[in-house]
Amino acid sequence: AQSVTQLGSHVSVSEGALVLLRCNYSSSVPPYLFWYVQYPNQGLQLLLKYTTGATLVKGINGFEAEFKKSETSFHLTKPSAHMSDAAEYFCAVSLNTGGFKTIFGAGTRLFVKA
Amino acid sequence: KAGVTQTPRYLIKTRGQQVTLSCSPISGHRSVSWYQQTPGQGLQFLFEYFSETQRNKGNFPGRFSGRQFSNSRSEMNVSTLELGDSALYLCASSLGPRDRGLDGYTFGSGTRLTVV
Repeated sequence: AQSVTQLGSHVSVSEGALVLLRCNYSSSVPPYLFWYVQYPNQGLQLLLKYTTGATLVKGINGFEAEFKKSETSFHLTKPSAHMSDAAEYFCAVSLNTGGFKTIFGAGTRLFVKA
Repeated sequence: KAGVTQTPRYLIKTRGQQVTLSCSPISGHRSVSWYQQTPGQGLQFLFEYFSETQRNKGNFPGRFSGRQFSNSRSEMNVSTLELGDSALYLCASSLGPRDRGLDGYTFGSGTRLTVV
């Protein structure tokens, strides 16, 4: 069965430190992978996506993610955290199983300390 | 261009009542999906509409229903509200079901429903 696992429901980093949010997926078909960010009382906003081609994808706000098929991972990184990055982040997998089905991870809340 | 518009933003209802939520997708988007978000369950898929037809449905009771109009606007209805229905209801639009897989969703800000 297809699934998405985000390791760590909460991650805390200091301002200026590396941000690493982990996402692993399980899929029997080639996945399309997404990261979304959600600020308080807002909907989800697409950060970046991987469909085909280059495995390192860059998104908005300085985030990037690398698709590693052998590890079934799509971890999100940012070299230097900013206070405004504090939010909840969701990894999602979209699978073409005769029709697209999107599965979201449980989310990781990122805290940024001054 | 205008984003996905959900109305109302906040609702307080009493157990047993019914509620209707509205979603206007981005102009040109014909696919609308609904999600329920709660702290305990995360994002759970309710249903998806495309060209006024329900294309997919999640594992929710029949009290949850929806529809889509010819202008792609969508409504979802919850009847006989229960306390556990309190949640943020998110609407997401895409050009079509296939584009959802390729381009992802554009989400609205959600409707916060509180059942008392």
